Amino acid sequence: QKEVEQNSGPLSVPEGAIASLNCTYSDRVSQSFFWYRQYSGKSPELIMSIYSNGDKEDGRFTAQLNKASQYVSLLIRDSQPSDSATYLCAGNGGATNKLIFGTGTLLAVQP
Amino acid sequence: DAGVIQSPRHEVTEMGQEVTLRCKPISGHDYLFWYRQTMMRGLELLIYFNNNVPIDDSGMPEDRFSAKMPNASFSTLKIQPSEPRDSAVYFCASTDRGAGDTQYFGPGTRLTVL
Repeated sequence: QKEVEQNSGPLSVPEGAIASLNCTYSDRVSQSFFWYRQYSGKSPELIMSIYSNGDKEDGRFTAQLNKASQYVSLLIRDSQPSDSATYLCAGNGGATNKLIFGTGTLLAVQP
Repeated sequence: DAGVIQSPRHEVTEMGQEVTLRCKPISGHDYLFWYRQTMMRGLELLIYFNNNVPIDDSGMPEDRFSAKMPNASFSTLKIQPSEPRDSAVYFCASTDRGAGDTQYFGPGTRLTVL
């Protein structure tokens, strides 16, 4: 099993809908989790971080962490065409500051 | 702060040439990371430094790659000799561990080896 796994997509949703992005992880990556957004030709930028089980909301974004099932998700409400990008899930093993990234999910929001 | 600064933004070179990529982390950050991103392999960590000391270089693909951090405000990633398969976008990122684990990425260097 890869340390952090994501479906590569593309995930296509209509404008205004909820986009749901999912990520699973192995035992080696278990402490902190991050969602980065990367527009084509640009560098990754942090959207959300989550450290404990449950939901964390920030504006239209909600991160969900379930450590028992080893998955983390990102929900984007009221999706906009400007949300179209690749979303990278990353995890931290804790002892170091080393992040392990998934390969990313391409999100396409259709106007 | 200006953010993480990388240079050059684009580099085109011929196989066998030496390539040096440069990075200036955010002032005050104590960790610096070098990543490589390709379509096939995604974002891969090559090496990272803590307080200018290399901590983990297990991601460096082979001896042709080397990285240095002579001081807190400068790091280089060198490829010698370069090969076409080294073509990728190379990102530098930095973080302040005391302020959390968020890594801030530079704009990247797009390397093309012909």
